[in-house]
Amino acid sequence: QSVLTQPPSMSAAPGQKVTISCSGSSSNIGNNYVSWYQQLPGTAPKLLIYDNNKRPLGIPDRFSGSKSGTSATLGITGLQTGDEADYYCGTWDTSLSAGRVFGGGTKLTVL
Amino acid sequence: QVQLQQWGARLLKPSETLSLTCAVYGGSFSGYYGNWIRQPPGKGLEWIGEINDSGSTNYNPSLKSRVTISMDTSKSQVSLKLSSVTAADTAVYYCARASAYSTSSGLNSWGQGTRVTVSS
Repeated sequence: QSVLTQPPSMSAAPGQKVTISCSGSSSNIGNNYVSWYQQLPGTAPKLLIYDNNKRPLGIPDRFSGSKSGTSATLGITGLQTGDEADYYCGTWDTSLSAGRVFGGGTKLTVL
Repeated sequence: QVQLQQWGARLLKPSETLSLTCAVYGGSFSGYYGNWIRQPPGKGLEWIGEINDSGSTNYNPSLKSRVTISMDTSKSQVSLKLSSVTAADTAVYYCARASAYSTSSGLNSWGQGTRVTVSS
């Protein structure tokens, strides 16, 4: 069971918008930066969002991140078939299980 | 452009020690944490641990007793050793780099992954 909670799967049509949630607690999301990662089938994860809402160079502005309290959200607009992937949120946890923690991942299907 | 390349044994027997190395090209680990993350087949990401360029380490409490992460700054390499492996350690292992300005900074560069299988 993951420390951070994400919906296991979501689906949407091309061109639409989707938001993926990541729920945690005060020991992780509430007091630390959140990152989001995209993992295309058979490849290594790639950083999409860091420090809650910043995009690395080369990541299109169709991807956005936000954080409120102990939850974070990844938004994707103008969905493309190439966005079909697993998405993970991540942060640091300061509880007894201290260290980097990830959500269980959300499999996004673009119909 | 920074690239991480990793290598190591891919097939182990139970009780053996997993050993992987990751090298940075086009950059270094100075000012960064070198991380190891694994992903069992069909499952999500699990953080193993990290080390910075001063040699300070943090480990996943569930693996701490079996894990050693080290860094050779002269070679821009980080290494992972996981002792007494079992079938439950079968996974794709990734190295990744994160800026040291915060413990929760993003993992901005990843290795290609090494699929490790533990089987008798």
